[in-house]
Amino acid sequence: GESVGLHLPTLSVQEGDNSIINCAYSNSASDYFIWYKQESGKGPQFIIDIRSNMDKRQGQRVTVLLNKTVKHLSLQIAATQPGDSAVYFCAENRDDMRFGAGTRLTVKP
Amino acid sequence: DADVTQTPRNRITKTGKRIMLECSQTKGHDRMYWYRQDPGLGLRLIYYSFDVKDINKGEISDGYSVSRQAQAKFSLSLESAIPNQTALYFCATSPTGVAKNIQYFGAGTRLSVL
Repeated sequence: GESVGLHLPTLSVQEGDNSIINCAYSNSASDYFIWYKQESGKGPQFIIDIRSNMDKRQGQRVTVLLNKTVKHLSLQIAATQPGDSAVYFCAENRDDMRFGAGTRLTVKP
Repeated sequence: DADVTQTPRNRITKTGKRIMLECSQTKGHDRMYWYRQDPGLGLRLIYYSFDVKDINKGEISDGYSVSRQAQAKFSLSLESAIPNQTALYFCATSPTGVAKNIQYFGAGTRLSVL
């Protein structure tokens, strides 16, 4: 069936390094994707989105890459900071939004 | 003040009890959602509503019901709570139009069913 998933449940990086969080999807008709960040004790918060007519979108220290050929997207965080420690979810454009299980990013000082 | 407010923030109840979780928003959004979050399973959609009186089942609606009597309020009920409904519950809202899939979440309600 259709799904949105993440490759790794946890990721640990050194402060200052770049982080890459991956997500795979199976619905080739999906045309819009969103990344959310969930800090401990809080609800998810929108980070960045991308439409299927784009391969790349940049925000402040974050970049999302979309590869429609292999149905894969990634979230890149530049110069990772302790405040980036959180669980990151990708979500697929549907009325009944589907989230992956999330990747927990831990930033080591 | 939070744009999406959930009450209560924490609730402990017993098996078989009826409970209601409330969500209110000041964002003026038409769309509202209820999710549950379990460790390792991410967010799963319970119910969603695109307008007052509009109700749609999500991925895991069994054992739950909702009410959308006003644009700003969306309540989730557990008619007869059971222990496997112990979870973290989130309410979310989104606008209509181009940004319809960007959701804004409340801080969550932690529910324990004993």
